[in-house]
Amino acid sequence: GNSVTQMEGPVTLSEEAFLTINCTYTATGYPSLFWYVQYPGEGLQLLLKATKADDKGSNKGFEATYRKETTSFHLEKGSVQVSDSAVYFCALIVDTGRRALTFGSGTRLQVQP
Amino acid sequence: NAGVMQNPRHLVRRRGQEARLRCSPMKGHSHVYWYRQLPEEGLKFMVYLQKENIIDESGMPKERFSAEFPKEGPSILRIQQVVRGDSAAYFCASSPKKEGYTFGSGTRLTVV
Repeated sequence: GNSVTQMEGPVTLSEEAFLTINCTYTATGYPSLFWYVQYPGEGLQLLLKATKADDKGSNKGFEATYRKETTSFHLEKGSVQVSDSAVYFCALIVDTGRRALTFGSGTRLQVQP
Repeated sequence: NAGVMQNPRHLVRRRGQEARLRCSPMKGHSHVYWYRQLPEEGLKFMVYLQKENIIDESGMPKERFSAEFPKEGPSILRIQQVVRGDSAAYFCASSPKKEGYTFGSGTRLTVV
């Protein structure tokens, strides 16, 4: 089956620090990969995505590269802000009729001023 | 163009009551998905519907849970005879034919 494993949180950083949140996956088939962000009390927002190997998704200073050889999709940001404090979910979808996203358990990021 | 609308945002039910959660997809989106998020966990797929059809309900509990997406009106997730373990955030997402999930803000169900 499909599964996504994320590093456990919370991750606590000072403002302007470098961020890495690890994500690895297993999939039957060729997945598309996603990072979603959830701010307190809100739904999930798509942060970035990549649909094939070596693609780099990027948005709002966040980046992640689809690494097929290591089955990874690690999220990075060079300089975090307090406003980045949220829960980050790695997810995948395999393009079958099912079309269901498989999520990791989420990583809570806390950025301190 | 309004996003995916879910209501209510918060719902409190006593054990044994019924919970009805509503989801209005984005305009032009004919595919609806329901996910459940237990505390401190990721989202788990429940059901995928198109208008008047259930396409995949492999994530739905076998009893007490049902979902529909009628020709007119919102999609409904119904939970009968709720128990404490049903307390969770329930998220709806919609998409057009192929790509592009958009999530709603969720309904937070508390069973007391």
